[in-house]
Amino acid sequence: EAGVAQSPRYKIIEKRQSVAFWCNPISGHATLYWYQQILGQGPKLLIQFQNNGVVDDSQLPKDRFSAERLKGVDSTLKIQPAKLEDSAVYLCVTSLGVLTYNEQFFGPGTRLTVL
Amino acid sequence: DQQVKQNSPSLSVQEGRISILNCDYTNSMFDYFLWYKKYPAEGPTFLISISSIKDKNEDGRFTVFLNKSAKHLSLHIVPSQPGDSAVYFCAASGQAGTALIFGKGTTLSVSS
Repeated sequence: EAGVAQSPRYKIIEKRQSVAFWCNPISGHATLYWYQQILGQGPKLLIQFQNNGVVDDSQLPKDRFSAERLKGVDSTLKIQPAKLEDSAVYLCVTSLGVLTYNEQFFGPGTRLTVL
Repeated sequence: DQQVKQNSPSLSVQEGRISILNCDYTNSMFDYFLWYKKYPAEGPTFLISISSIKDKNEDGRFTVFLNKSAKHLSLHIVPSQPGDSAVYFCAASGQAGTALIFGKGTTLSVSS
C-alpha cells in the first residue's frame, strides 16, 4: 500500500514570497489533515477535510494560509505571503474516516524555511 | 495552554533494559490516546493506542498504560533496542475522527 505522498520535500523562500505544498493521500482515505510542526514542538492542526469539505479550520491563519481539496483526493496548502515564523515542517495526514478512531497516516512532510 | 505534556525532552537507556516514556494530559474529555514514533526526515508513524475504557494495551515489546484518575499515560518498551532510538510523540483525541493533540515529544536514545 502506497503511503501519503507530499511534495516538495524541502523549500526555501524569502519572507513575503508565496509557497504551495501538495499532498496525495492513501487511496480511499476520506479524511485529510494538514499539521504544522515547528522545531521542538509536536504537530499542530491547521485544517481538516472530510472528502472535499472543511471540517475544522479554526486554527488556520486565514489571512495568509489557504487550503483546498479538489474532488476529495489531492490537497494543496498555500501560504501567501510567508513570514519568518512559518518556518516549520508541514505534514499531510490521512485516515479512512470519522466514524471510528482510525489510524492516522503521516506523510514525510515538507520542510519550509523562510529567510 | 498545553493539553498534552511530555515533560522529559530526552531519555537514554541501555539496550535490553526497559524504556518508560511518560505523558500527562489536562483535558478530561480526551478518550483515545496514541503514541507515534518519528525518525529524522520522516513523518511520524503510529505505534500503539489505547481507549479510555482500558488501562493497558500491549503489542509485542510495547505496552501503553493509562491512569485516567491521574490523567497520565506511559509507554513501556521492553527490551529496548538500538532501532528504537527516535522521537516519541504522545497524542490524544476527544472524538472519533477529530485531529490529534500532540505533546512536544521525547527523544529516546538506546545504546548498545
